Amino acid sequence: EIVLTQSPGTLSLSPGERATLSCRANQSVSSNYLAWYQQKPGQAPRLLIYGASSRAGGIPARFSGSGSVTDFSLTITRLEPEDFAVYFCQQYGSSLTFGQGTKVDI
Amino acid sequence: QVQLQESGPGLVKPSETLSLTCTVSGVSMSGHYWSWIRQPPGKGLEWIGHIYYSGDTKYNPSLKSRVTISIDTSKSQFSLKLNSVTAADTAVYYCAGDTRNTWYYFWGQGTLVTVSS
Repeated sequence: EIVLTQSPGTLSLSPGERATLSCRANQSVSSNYLAWYQQKPGQAPRLLIYGASSRAGGIPARFSGSGSVTDFSLTITRLEPEDFAVYFCQQYGSSLTFGQGTKVDI
Repeated sequence: QVQLQESGPGLVKPSETLSLTCTVSGVSMSGHYWSWIRQPPGKGLEWIGHIYYSGDTKYNPSLKSRVTISIDTSKSQFSLKLNSVTAADTAVYYCAGDTRNTWYYFWGQGTLVTVSS
């Protein structure tokens, strides 16, 4: 099973700052099969990025994904108040697994 | 507008079977993968498994022995059965779907299932 480790666990930033979240896999992940989600309290996850770098429909351009093989990242260029949330990476290989999440808070 | 809605008991006794249904509207079930994902309170996400509209299934190896996912396209519904539940199965259960089996764009709001006597 591919294990995804996200860092940091919590990222404390202010609106307008840049956020960089990391997702590291213990085995190679096809770039086509890496996604990022945003989850706010009491809500379902929302797909942000798929295929490691493609934005899902309706996702603002300040969200971008990059990386390959075992190291992936999600960048939010200028944090808006609504971006403070928990972010999960997810991969699909022989099975589907999620990282443990990074909380972006003020 | 695509909507997914989970339904089922919010309380299940230990050793019994958890049963949930997801009703899909606003999109045809054809050509899509439909999945169940759960999240214990305050914790991360765990994929349970998915079913293709044709009925083909794939399950999380750690849950495979206890899980059955089925689909009824005539009712635009798919279902989850998880047997022999314990307190560790207490979680918010989400249904989700997409045209690929690699990530999920459509999500239900989630339903909390508590396992307790």
